[in-house]
Amino acid sequence: GENVEQHPSTLSVQEGDSAVIKCTYSDSASNYFPWYKQELGKGPQLIIDIRSNVGEKKDQRIAVTLNKTAKHFSLHITETQPEDSAVYFCAASISNTGNQFYFGTGTSLTVIP
Amino acid sequence: GAVVSQHPSWVICKSGTSVKIECRSLDFQATTMFWYRQFPKQSLMLMATSNEGSKATYEQGVEKDKFLINHASLTLSTLTVTSAHPEDSSFYICSARTGATDTQYFGPGTRLTVL
Repeated sequence: GENVEQHPSTLSVQEGDSAVIKCTYSDSASNYFPWYKQELGKGPQLIIDIRSNVGEKKDQRIAVTLNKTAKHFSLHITETQPEDSAVYFCAASISNTGNQFYFGTGTSLTVIP
Repeated sequence: GAVVSQHPSWVICKSGTSVKIECRSLDFQATTMFWYRQFPKQSLMLMATSNEGSKATYEQGVEKDKFLINHASLTLSTLTVTSAHPEDSSFYICSARTGATDTQYFGPGTRLTVL
């Protein structure tokens, strides 16, 4: 089955700096890669996603890049703000096969004011 | 759009009792709903997948007689933890998707504490 690894497990950055979280996956058939932000005591919220036919996607301060050959994808947050502090999870799935998500182990991001 | 609610947000129960958690898609029809369990500082663990009108598919190691899942309509799925024990204490989260997209939208979670 699919195995998703996520690094780093914790990340601290100064406000205004950029943060990068990386994930690798093992199943080359995976073609949908969402990123979720989870605040303490709450459910995960989708922040951005990318499909395998696209190499990069951007939404304001958030961007995701995908390298299908290397089977890795990354989340980039620019101009970080304290409210970006949360746990971020990457996931991989295969479209139209029940859509089970394989989650990474999470990255706890702390933005220091 | 794409809002998923859960009720209750937290529940405390005595050992041996049963607890029902509801998951609702508020503004879309969810052909598939998922139930996850999350321990502190850990990732989400998929418990089961349910399609409307069908029996749920449970992940290996998840007892289907203990965690009863019903997906009776396109907007409602329920998880019943039967004969709860302290080790069942956890954060339970549901998610839902339509048949048109791959995206899963998550509920806010339910904190279960079994005394």
